[in-house]
Amino acid sequence: AQSVAQPEDQVNVAEGNPLTVKCTYSVSGNPYLFWYVQYPNRGLQFLLKYITGDNLVKGSYGFEAEFNKSQTSFHLKKPSALVSDSALYFCAVRDTTADSWGKLQFGAGTQVVVTP
Amino acid sequence: DGGITQSPKYLFRKEGQNVTLSCEQNLNHDAMYWYRQDPGQGLRLIYYSQIVNDFQKGDIAEGYSVSREKKESFPLTVTSAQKNPTAFYLCASSIKGQGQSGANVLTFGAGSRLTVL
Repeated sequence: AQSVAQPEDQVNVAEGNPLTVKCTYSVSGNPYLFWYVQYPNRGLQFLLKYITGDNLVKGSYGFEAEFNKSQTSFHLKKPSALVSDSALYFCAVRDTTADSWGKLQFGAGTQVVVTP
Repeated sequence: DGGITQSPKYLFRKEGQNVTLSCEQNLNHDAMYWYRQDPGQGLRLIYYSQIVNDFQKGDIAEGYSVSREKKESFPLTVTSAQKNPTAFYLCASSIKGQGQSGANVLTFGAGSRLTVL
């Protein structure tokens, strides 16, 4: 079984300050990890993914995420938040075992609010 | 431009009616998916398909049906058996593959919002 937890329903940050959105996961094997962003009444857009290798993954729009195997976490970070980063962020995980193909498990989402 | 088109964007249904949501992609992706989004619950997988004429149930398939007669199309029917169908429905697609190539990125449509009156 695989699961994802996003412990914060909402994160508030002032423009220019660092932004962190937390994610922890549980899988039976090794994980593939993803971050997606959703703007109001739209589909999700891919930000970045971790497959293997370097624990620090860089993605779109200045976002990055750090894979921590011992803490089973994959937190999303941005050094300096913009008002336009205000959106709903989803963490997702997929087990690498063959029978989990196609079964991406999403977290409940974290609403990010960046104030000017 | 390549992408996924979902229609209609908004749909209203009376209780007891079946409705079909359309999903078309021109990305030449093998795999297609349907997710349901409810506030505070994230996305839940309804059905997915890896190839034409084949599909698998996801976590919440009861009350839904799909078909995959063409690579480009993966329509979802919300039947009268679905007890609480009001939700935002998202279609997605990806390349198919195992191993690291199977860590495929999903491309999403803009969604269809279904409301039961």
